[in-house]
Amino acid sequence: DAGITQSPRYKITETGRQVTLMCHQTWSHSYMFWYRQDLGHGLRLIYYSAAADITDKGEVPDGYVVSRSKTENFPLTLESATRSQTSVYFCASNGRGQTEAFFGQGTRLTVV
Amino acid sequence: GQSLEQPSEVTAVEGAIVQMNCTYQTSGFYGLSWYQQHDGGAPTFLSYNALDGLEETGRFSSFLSRSDSYGYLLLQELQMKDSASYFCAVRDQTGFQKLVFGTGTRLLVSP
Repeated sequence: DAGITQSPRYKITETGRQVTLMCHQTWSHSYMFWYRQDLGHGLRLIYYSAAADITDKGEVPDGYVVSRSKTENFPLTLESATRSQTSVYFCASNGRGQTEAFFGQGTRLTVV
Repeated sequence: GQSLEQPSEVTAVEGAIVQMNCTYQTSGFYGLSWYQQHDGGAPTFLSYNALDGLEETGRFSSFLSRSDSYGYLLLQELQMKDSASYFCAVRDQTGFQKLVFGTGTRLLVSP
């Protein structure tokens, strides 16, 4: 399907486990972003990428790792999940020169 | 870095006009965007102001004043379906074009 998709949509994991959230877009957009959304904090930027193999930290990167070996994929890994990482995670992308960013449907992650 | 502040909640009635403000502190950015998010959904793009002034798209208008570090989103002829959260966002001028969002305003429209 065309667009930007996230998987899984829902995930429950235990404290200390590693978990990877997937993001895939079919437009060959250069820019991709990961946000977390918590009540009272809006959308906070975790990591972003300008192209394959080019990534940088956002506002709240601690505890997260990203990679971008292919333009279309931008996985986010929680190396050792903590309860404070319980959140809704959104992936977004946009092409060069585009003002509009397109968002995936989000992944609701619960760390117990 | 960038910092964007928005009032947390605004209430209005159907048919009314509402203005949602965004004040920012940033060292430089390309333009101010607005996104809408319904409960349980993903943010969707509404409008973009590259230059100072008013941009109109149907019932929605957005305004930017760089000299005042201020922008707003204006919604006219409010409908119940407009109940949602609204976020302003800026894209910085580095090569990464990092997109940073404000804290968001929750709009509640009542009959």
